[in-house]
Amino acid sequence: GAVVSQHPSRVICKSGTSVKIECRSLDFQATTMFWYRQFPKQSLMLMATSNEGSKATYEQGVEKDKFLINHASLTLSTLTVTSAHPEDSSFYICSALLGKDGNTIYFGEGSWLTVV
Amino acid sequence: QKEVEQDPGPLSVPEGAIVSLNCTYSNSAFQYFMWYRQYSRKGPELLMYTYSSGNKEDGRFTAQVDKSSKYISLFIRDSQPSDSATYLCAMRANSGYALNFGKGTSLLVTP
Repeated sequence: GAVVSQHPSRVICKSGTSVKIECRSLDFQATTMFWYRQFPKQSLMLMATSNEGSKATYEQGVEKDKFLINHASLTLSTLTVTSAHPEDSSFYICSALLGKDGNTIYFGEGSWLTVV
Repeated sequence: QKEVEQDPGPLSVPEGAIVSLNCTYSNSAFQYFMWYRQYSRKGPELLMYTYSSGNKEDGRFTAQVDKSSKYISLFIRDSQPSDSATYLCAMRANSGYALNFGKGTSLLVTP
């Protein structure tokens, strides 16, 4: 079946550095991918919608310059957390839209980011 | 008021019990309703989706949507210890694909 791969699954970085997280659709082409953030015992919060070949659409309150999203191909979207701070530590999850009906969205395994 | 409300639990049931998980929502524009299962420290897995009101059954799982009450449910029959996970409801309107998630209900099925 369709699979979305996310890498790395865990990353620890120093405060002030940048971290890149990759999201790949393995069995299908995804023109639309989504990036979420999830704090412990909290819901998934949509950060941005990533469209292949165009700029991402960010949700209100999400800093575009801090969370850089690139969707350069139909199977790959990347999230770069720039100048990371401890408060950026969280679980980041991507998802990819299969087809166009909007009802089949597959999630990656998530990436745990710890900023020390 | 959050758009999607879901009791976080935890909900503990014995193996074989029928489990009822619920969400309420406030946005009448929501038309598509999904249930995801999330194991600890993993990404969510799509279980079922339903369009508008009605019931949908898939094996031991039944999803119900009552748009008049803005209330959706997921029933799990003959629950198994492997069903222990967090269950997230999600929903969206006709326009756009972005999902609005509940907080998730933590379910524990004990042998």
